[in-house]
Amino acid sequence: AQSVTQPDIHITVSEGASLELRCNYSYGATPYLFWYVQSPGQGLQLLLKYFSGDTLVQGIKGFEAEFKRSQSSFNLRKPSVHWSDAAEYFCAVESGGYNKLIFGAGTRLAVHP
Amino acid sequence: DTAVSQTPKYLVTQMGNDKSIKCEQNLGHDTMYWYKQDSKKFLKIMFSYNNKELIINETVPNRFSPKSPDKAHLNLHINSLELGDSAVYFCASSQDSINTGELFFGEGSRLTVL
Repeated sequence: AQSVTQPDIHITVSEGASLELRCNYSYGATPYLFWYVQSPGQGLQLLLKYFSGDTLVQGIKGFEAEFKRSQSSFNLRKPSVHWSDAAEYFCAVESGGYNKLIFGAGTRLAVHP
Repeated sequence: DTAVSQTPKYLVTQMGNDKSIKCEQNLGHDTMYWYKQDSKKFLKIMFSYNNKELIINETVPNRFSPKSPDKAHLNLHINSLELGDSAVYFCASSQDSINTGELFFGEGSRLTVL
């Protein structure tokens, strides 16, 4: 069965530092992969997605992610974190059609001033 | 204007009661979803409707019954509430049911069952 693993439950970085959030997936075919962000008390918002083609995808708010098939990974990166990036980040894989998304358990990002 | 709106935002009720959560989207989308987020933030899909037709029905107790009166609304009715039903329920919509993965989420409805 398809699954998504986010190994880091909680990450703290200083404002201005670089960020990498890890995501590993289990999927038989070429996956459709996504990163969503959830700010406190809010719903989820799509940051970026990978379907095919260029393995480095750009998203909103200065985020990017790289698909590595050999490592079954889709890690999210940002070169310089802002305090407003503090939120919960979810990696997801589409499973079985109809936009059915399987989410990872999430990584909570805290940003120190 | 809120794109995907859910009511109520908070709901506290006793075990055994029946409750409903309403969802409306003004994006003109064809597809709507219900997701459940448990206390550990784990998100799991429950149902999806495309143009009022049920297209995803995960392994959910039949105490949960979705209803879509039109494609802009997807309500969730829960009978005989149990402690384990306590969670945040998110409604979402997408333009259609083709695999674009871009879902627009509401702010969630926090259900607490005592």
